[in-house]
Amino acid sequence: RKEVEQDPGPFNVPEGATVAFNCTYSNSASQSFFWYRQDCRKEPKLLMSVYSSGNEDGRFTAQLNRASQYISLLIRDSKLSDSATYLCVVWDNYGQNFVFGPGTRLSVLP
Amino acid sequence: DTGVSQDPRHKITKRGQNVTFRCDPISEHNRLYWYRQTLGQGPEFLTYFQNEAQLEKSRLLSDRFSAERPKGSFSTLEIQRTEQGDSAMYLCASSFRGGMKTGHDEQYFGPGTRLTVT
Repeated sequence: RKEVEQDPGPFNVPEGATVAFNCTYSNSASQSFFWYRQDCRKEPKLLMSVYSSGNEDGRFTAQLNRASQYISLLIRDSKLSDSATYLCVVWDNYGQNFVFGPGTRLSVLP
Repeated sequence: DTGVSQDPRHKITKRGQNVTFRCDPISEHNRLYWYRQTLGQGPEFLTYFQNEAQLEKSRLLSDRFSAERPKGSFSTLEIQRTEQGDSAMYLCASSFRGGMKTGHDEQYFGPGTRLTVT
């Protein structure tokens, strides 16, 4: 089992749609969770950190369920500019490294 | 521009040659990370530094790879005797973690160095 798994994608949604991405991690000792977005042939950019209580930033909501080892990202009212690959990232306290998921690609269509 | 910078942006080399990449982190950041990314995959952790100390190195990293951060500012990643399988995007990121806090903070990535080994 991979350390961090994500929905395989791609997700093709119309503008204005709500879309949810799921991520699971295998190491229960993990701490520090993030969502990054990566545009084609560009570097990853931080979207948001994920806190145990859940957090929201505008149209984006992230949630963490430690018991289920599950992280989610919800995007409401999607825009064309949201088209990118979304990467789930976990700090693995056992391996002492950051582990990135393979990413889920989103295309928002006009 | 006060973001993370990397040099060169592109490098084409022949198999067996050595290459060195440089990363300049955001100036107040004390942590620096190196990753490798191939097409369709997420970045793969290679190593990281806190100030000048190399705190962790991926077990996937062969002894042909070495990284340094001699003065706790910029870092270099060297690959010796390059192989075609080394062709990838090499990303550098930096972050700041202060005091006695544990855990890790948000990283900011540079534009990467794309390596092609022919």
